[in-house]
Amino acid sequence: EDKVVQSPLSLVVHEGDTVTLNCSYEVTNFRSLLWYKQEKKAPTFLFMLTSSGIEKKSGRLSSILDKKELFSILNITATQTGDSAVYLCAVDSYNNNDMRFGAGTRLTVKP
Amino acid sequence: NAGVMQNPRHLVRRRGQEARLRCSPMKGHSHVYWYRQLPEEGLKFMVYLQKENIIDESGMPKERFSAEFPKEGPSILRIQQVVRGDSAAYFCASHGGSDYGYTFGSGTRLTVV
Repeated sequence: EDKVVQSPLSLVVHEGDTVTLNCSYEVTNFRSLLWYKQEKKAPTFLFMLTSSGIEKKSGRLSSILDKKELFSILNITATQTGDSAVYLCAVDSYNNNDMRFGAGTRLTVKP
Repeated sequence: NAGVMQNPRHLVRRRGQEARLRCSPMKGHSHVYWYRQLPEEGLKFMVYLQKENIIDESGMPKERFSAEFPKEGPSILRIQQVVRGDSAAYFCASHGGSDYGYTFGSGTRLTVV
């Protein structure tokens, strides 16, 4: 059965710290891995990764995929209180009609 | 472009009542997905629909839950005879079929009292 595991489940840091969130997966016929940020309401799309080793970057956020070791990381540098959210990792495969989500990492950034 | 619209945002039902959750996908999107999020858990797939068709309902509980996406109007997720365990946030997502950019609605938070 397809599986997506995120770690840590929760993380508390101070403003300015750098954090790394992990997502490992087991899925057949992998198509893409997606990262979402969920604050109070709907998840918002951050990145979609399909190829190994190519870093995607958006401001202080970056992400990379390792298809050999079956994991992805999401980095946030110089964290701000507005980065506090649940970060969800999801995997899309050619087999399924949906994305499989991990349980999320709850990030709290303290001033 | 209004994005994915879900309503109501909050719904309170007594045990045994019916809950109807609505989702209007983004303009031009014909693929709709429903997810359920229990407290402290990730999103769990429920059902995937295209217009007038249920493509995959492997995540739907076998009883009391049904979904439709009619030719006209929003997609509806219907929960009959609700129980306390149905309390959750229900999210709808849509995409246009050729891209992977799922867009989520703001969700409906169902509370069963």
